[in-house]
Amino acid sequence: DAKTTQPTSMDCAEGRAANLPCNHSTISGNEYVYWYRQIHSQGPQYIIHGLKNNETNEMASLIITEDRKSSTLILPHATLRDTAVYYCIVRVAENAGGTSYGKLTFGQGTILTVHP
Amino acid sequence: EPEVTQTPSHQVTQMGQEVILRCVPISNHLYFYWYRQILGQKVEFLVSFYNNEISEKSEIFDDQFSVERPDGSNFTLKIRSTKLEDSAMYFCASSDLASGTYEQYFGPGTRLTVT
Repeated sequence: DAKTTQPTSMDCAEGRAANLPCNHSTISGNEYVYWYRQIHSQGPQYIIHGLKNNETNEMASLIITEDRKSSTLILPHATLRDTAVYYCIVRVAENAGGTSYGKLTFGQGTILTVHP
Repeated sequence: EPEVTQTPSHQVTQMGQEVILRCVPISNHLYFYWYRQILGQKVEFLVSFYNNEISEKSEIFDDQFSVERPDGSNFTLKIRSTKLEDSAMYFCASSDLASGTYEQYFGPGTRLTVT
């Protein structure tokens, strides 16, 4: 799986958009970009994923550059409850010969702190 | 909304004892995983399980570890003889086939403390 690089920490004011960048310059054509977050000591929580098109769901938007070497997770109106560690993970999604279904390799992630 | 559940939430055991950590994955999911997170460190993959067999395991998952799906709902992680360094949060996760991209849903974790 391709390696990702994220800033160690970021701050955001409550109600403002939080934009979390991720670099994945060695991403392969069949690798997706996934975002998870971990609120203190809880299990990681799936947020969103994408291949090359921008994606949006009820939690966030994912913007992937045209060359796919970087992406940005956008939380449009951050709340205090969005304070967490955010992980950008790149991996193959589809069944690779029926033997492996894509372990997630977590890095250190970005600690996002949302301030009142 | 369906969720992954884990029991117990906290397990304290003495070094050398066997522990079994239990997970109930989301009911229609077919792929199951265990991860662990030592305090202050990254979440680490341990093992993935599909079709009643291990599909992938990490170097952490040595002979002291085993997994089982004893019935149609539970998925267990057994540590045969616990060591101090096994103290960690253990997370179970599951994913399904229908999504096509296998996003994983995690349980709340079991905190294992080995004394």
